[in-house]
Amino acid sequence: DIVMTQSPDSLSVSLGERATINCKSSHSVLFNSNNKSYLAWYQQKPGQPPKVLIYWASTRDSGVPDRFSGSGSGTDFTLTISGLQAEDVAVYYCQQYFSSPYTFGQGTKLEIK
Amino acid sequence: QMQLQESGPRLVKPSETLSLICTVSGGSISSGDYYWSWIRQPAGRGLEWIGRVYGRGSTNVNPSLKSRLTMSLDMSNEQFSLNLGSVTAADTAVYYCARDPVVMSGLFDSWGQGIQVTVSS
Repeated sequence: DIVMTQSPDSLSVSLGERATINCKSSHSVLFNSNNKSYLAWYQQKPGQPPKVLIYWASTRDSGVPDRFSGSGSGTDFTLTISGLQAEDVAVYYCQQYFSSPYTFGQGTKLEIK
Repeated sequence: QMQLQESGPRLVKPSETLSLICTVSGGSISSGDYYWSWIRQPAGRGLEWIGRVYGRGSTNVNPSLKSRLTMSLDMSNEQFSLNLGSVTAADTAVYYCARDPVVMSGLFDSWGQGIQVTVSS
């Protein structure tokens, strides 16, 4: 199985500031034939299911605000939230869909400072 | 817009079988456009992909659960189901059903609200 490791486990950021979450995979999730990394980011608010924010490591899903951005390739990835807003308080998960079984990071809890 | 909704017993006794159903509305599970997955989340913990069913009942499962897991499709009722046998307290979790597009296999773009299942005597 591909192990996904996120850092930090929790993060406290002031409103309007930048939040950065890292994700590392134990095996490359880059598919050489199409040069795409099979990496997604999800946001989960309390009492709700996860919602996909980013896929292909850097493509925002429809309706996701442009303050959310993803970067990285291969084994190292970053989710950046620029200009943190109160509604961004949530747990964020990375997930690889390169190979089955599909696996998630342990989550990063984002709070307002 | 397609919606998914989990249903089933919320309390299961140890050693018995956990059985859940996901009902799909606003679309057809026989379209062939999606795989139909189950994912679980123990309280305060991360997400674990359990497995998926598709086509005429083909499955992909997480090897960690393979020996206890059965999944199936009921196209006439637009439902798919999960059966997890020999449960223990470690199987207590919120269980989600979700879909992943065939063209983007493994990306879960729509989820049910989840159902809390507790394993306890």
